[in-house]
Amino acid sequence: EVQLVESGGGLVQPGRSLRLSCAASGFTFDDYAMHWVRQAPGKGLEWVSGISWNSGTIGYADSVKGRFSISRDNAKNSLYLQMNSLRSEDTALYYCVRASAYSWRGGWIDYWGQGTLVTVSS
Amino acid sequence: QSVLTQPPSASGTPGQRVTISCSGSSSNIGSNYVYWYQQLPGTAPKLLIYRNSQRPSGVPDRFSGSKSGTSASLAISGLRSEDEADYYCAAWDDSLSGWVFGGGTKLTVL
Repeated sequence: EVQLVESGGGLVQPGRSLRLSCAASGFTFDDYAMHWVRQAPGKGLEWVSGISWNSGTIGYADSVKGRFSISRDNAKNSLYLQMNSLRSEDTALYYCVRASAYSWRGGWIDYWGQGTLVTVSS
Repeated sequence: QSVLTQPPSASGTPGQRVTISCSGSSSNIGSNYVYWYQQLPGTAPKLLIYRNSQRPSGVPDRFSGSKSGTSASLAISGLRSEDEADYYCAAWDDSLSGWVFGGGTKLTVL
């Protein structure tokens, strides 16, 4: 069974940093690209970032480009999101999601974690 | 504002057929597959339809998807109370080089 478990969320002040983690199990992690998708309270879904199976290619939404950094450690079956210069509009539930392909530009999003809540407020 | 446009709400009575629309552009729906996700209250989204009209194993055949040009739709037949959820469409966008989603449609079973 595919399992994606996020952690690292919490309350953080504007301008500060936070690092999210996602522990994957139930599948061969390095066979798949991974993404982060977020959902602001009461709002819809927004793609944040994607990374290919070997970290060779990475992509970001314009809203987070230059502030967020995605990475993965295939030896630890883990995905990460380093979030810097956080803003109030980054407040959301952050989902770790699996893609159905090696490349983050291919396939589709097929499995979702339960999410970790990030609240940016002073 | 979401890149893909969905009606904010839809409703139907048990047993009815309901359709939810999703409108995009040539850079997303017009040139790529459409996906649909179901988000039950308080839970994470779940893949409902992939590649326009394919159902993952375990998804009832009451759910069907279609696409024409720059629009897509999700149809739910034989509506059941457990279908009450938010439904999101998604597609890859070639111009943005990223995934785009609709704003979501809240389905109410009356």
